[in-house]
Amino acid sequence: EDQVTQSPEALRLQEGESSSLNCSYTVSGLRGLFWYRQDPGKGPEFLFTLYSAGEEKEKERLKATLTKKESFLHITAPKPEDSATYLCAVRPGGGATNKLIFGTGTLLAVQP
Amino acid sequence: NAGVTQTPKFRILKIGQSMTLQCAQDMNHNYMYWYRQDPGMGLKLIYYSVGAGITDKGEVPNGYNVSRSTTEDFPLRLELAAPSQTSVYFCASSNQGQGKAFFGQGTRLTVV
Repeated sequence: EDQVTQSPEALRLQEGESSSLNCSYTVSGLRGLFWYRQDPGKGPEFLFTLYSAGEEKEKERLKATLTKKESFLHITAPKPEDSATYLCAVRPGGGATNKLIFGTGTLLAVQP
Repeated sequence: NAGVTQTPKFRILKIGQSMTLQCAQDMNHNYMYWYRQDPGMGLKLIYYSVGAGITDKGEVPNGYNVSRSTTEDFPLRLELAAPSQTSVYFCASSNQGQGKAFFGQGTRLTVV
């Protein structure tokens, strides 16, 4: 069964304190791993897509990496505006539906 | 460029009532999706569509119906609302061949 597990469930950081969020997955034929950011009361906002092990993507203070079993979202010197829930999703192989399977997210709070 | 627009933003229904959640996208995307998000749970796929006139069930379709008469619109119908349908509903769209999905702002539905 295709599955996505994110850890930790919640993370509190001081401003400038770097850390990483984890997304481990079990999927039959990965056709993409996606990171989204979700602010309270809003819809998920796309951050990155990773397709193959060893791939990395960066955007401002965020860097996403991918291995055959997991992905990490590294946050370098975070600011309070980085506070949000970060969602990981995978696109399983087979079919043409583009369906995404989501993890439950990591709630990140960055304190000034 | 509006992206994905959902209406209404909030709604309270009584048990047994029916309603339609509206979703429209202006990006000419083939694929559209309805997800529900419950506290502590990942986004769960209710229904999806790969083009006008084509729809299919996702993970949690019971109690819902959809139609896709145009590329732009993908309404979700709730018949005989139940408390278990209290949730936040998100509509999303994507291009064929791309997993990156764009989400609406969500509809918060409460069934009492």
